[in-house]
Order: sequence, then structure tokens, then C-alpha cells
Amino acid sequence: QLQLQETGPGLVKPSETLSLTCTVSGGSISSSSYYWGWIRQPPGKGLDWIGSIYFSGSTYYNPSLKSRVTTSVDTSKNQFSLKLSSVTAADTAVYYCARHDTYGGDLGGFGYWGQGTLVTVSS
Amino acid sequence: QSALTQPASVSGSPGQSITISCTGTSSDVGGYNYVSWYQQHPGKAPKLMIYDVSNRPSGVSNRFSGSKSANTASLTISGLQAEDEADYYCSSYIFSSTRFGTGTKVTVL
Repeated sequence: QLQLQETGPGLVKPSETLSLTCTVSGGSISSSSYYWGWIRQPPGKGLDWIGSIYFSGSTYYNPSLKSRVTTSVDTSKNQFSLKLSSVTAADTAVYYCARHDTYGGDLGGFGYWGQGTLVTVSS
Repeated sequence: QSALTQPASVSGSPGQSITISCTGTSSDVGGYNYVSWYQQHPGKAPKLMIYDVSNRPSGVSNRFSGSKSANTASLTISGLQAEDEADYYCSSYIFSSTRFGTGTKVTVL
């Protein structure tokens, strides 16, 4: 059974960079059928897609966050990572990593999710 | 990036059927058959209920069904049960991106 687990600091100071890693177990991150994504959910609000990465390093980003987002993949560790720079209180959210289908580069549904990790931006 | 539009809340009695709409544009919902639906209980991660408009993942009850007409996708829950009370989100592919809906709270009366 595929499992995803987010790890990283739960508290980040304003203007600093948020960094999270997602470790995949029970399957290979190098599968050609999937992209690996990040989604966040501010407290009491809806889901917001941040970006997704392929095992080759190909990326898609939410246009509204693109200037602050960097994602990377480490196939040797079966992990992928998120960096969000210049954070503010508005970036406080539960951050999820997830796997989604891809059809020749088009993005399908997120079939597997991590449990999520709350990141609070505060001084 | 605008979210897809969903009703804020939908309610129904046990055993009834309810339908949740997800309205987008010809660039997302209307342009691709990559609409998905997620169920989220409080404090839990979302769970995929429908993918590619109308397909159910293994293990999802056949009480859940999806469809699409033009720029609007729909999720129907038949035989409503207490455990169906949750938040529901749609999502759609839009060129080189993915977009979520605003979310719908389903209440079982």
C-alpha cells in the first residue's frame, strides 16, 4: 500500500523559506504514470494546489505561487520536496503531499495523500 | 487563479440522493475529462471518490457517481448515509495546472 509522509518544521518566521519533504513508501517515485504534488489548506478554508513534479524533474506550478515555489525530487531516497520563499501569515496552512495520475503530461486526480502537516508562519 | 464554483452547502435526509455541482469554464471542466471529486472529514486528508469525471477508485461505494455536462461537473450521492457528512471538493485539470473547487459541506439531516 502506497504511503506518503510529510516532514518539516511546524513553525516558520515571516519572510523566511518554508521547507517540506515528502517520503514515499510502498511504491517507486520513478513511475512514469504519476506526478507528485503539494496541496495546502489554510485553517477552515478550501484546498489550494501548489505544484507538482515528475520523477524526471519536470514541474507544474500554481501561477499565483510560481514566483515563490521550488520543488525537487530525489529518486534515490524516494522523496520530493517543497520550498516556499518569503512566507507570510497567509501561508499558514496544513500542507499535504499527494500522488496524481498523469496522461501524457495532463494531470489527473490525486489518488494518494499524506496525512498533512500544519505549518504556522509566525515570529 | 480562480477556484471552480461549488455550492457552499447541500443537505439531505438519510436514504435520499443529493447532487453537488462544480462549475468551471471551457478551459478547465469543459475542456478536459480530468475532473475529480474528494471527500474530506474533519481533521483528515481528502479521499479521492471520483476521477476522470465518472470513474470510482477501488473501494469507493457505488453510491457515489460523477458526470459532466459542458462546463459543469456533478457528484451524486445516492442512499445518503450519516458517514457521508463531510466536505466535498472537485478539481479539474487546466492546461499545465490543476484547480480545486470552493468546497461543499454536506449535512445529513
